[in-house]
Amino acid sequence: GQNIDQPTEMTATEGAIVQINCTYQTSGFNGLFWYQQHAGEAPTFLSYNVLDGLEEKGRFSSFLSRSKGYSYLLLKELQMKDSASYLCAVRDSNYQLIWGAGTKLIIKP
Amino acid sequence: DAMVIQNPRYQVTQFGKPVTLSCSQTLNHNVMYWYQQKSSQAPKLLFHYYDKDFNNEADTPDNFQSRRPNTSFCFLDIRSPGLGDAAMYLCATSRAGLATDTQYFGPGTRLTVL
Repeated sequence: GQNIDQPTEMTATEGAIVQINCTYQTSGFNGLFWYQQHAGEAPTFLSYNVLDGLEEKGRFSSFLSRSKGYSYLLLKELQMKDSASYLCAVRDSNYQLIWGAGTKLIIKP
Repeated sequence: DAMVIQNPRYQVTQFGKPVTLSCSQTLNHNVMYWYQQKSSQAPKLLFHYYDKDFNNEADTPDNFQSRRPNTSFCFLDIRSPGLGDAAMYLCATSRAGLATDTQYFGPGTRLTVL
């Protein structure tokens, strides 16, 4: 079966750095997405990785290792508004998006 | 601004009373998706339209139907809502053929079934 694993919940301090991991087992691979979802709202697109390595976008970076079936989202200089769920999704060989259940990130002052 | 719009944002219905949720988009994307998301769970794809071609997920109940009368609009019909259908319903769009084919979401409709 296809599976995406992420930690259920993480806590971090304002101003700090946090890394949210995602491991996947899918039928093929055609890209990995990270989305941010605030409570009661829709997911918003953060990043896309299809090749190995690090993609940096301001305070957010995303890393991919296809051989390990592994990605992480790195958030720097955390702000209170970063409190949200972070969803990892992988596009498989059929171009279907397989979604993780999300990691709820709690930021404390 | 180009966007995905969903109406209503909140919908309350009674057990068994049909309800229709709507989605429109100004992104001119050719693919539209309907997802169901329950609290702390991953979004679950119900179906999607690739242009006019309808693609139903194998485990989507018959109680859920969809219509796409034109490129911009898509509707989700729930014929006889049950208590288990209370959820957030998300519409998303994408432009198939692009390398990233990223899905962009509307704000969602939260459905309550009494």
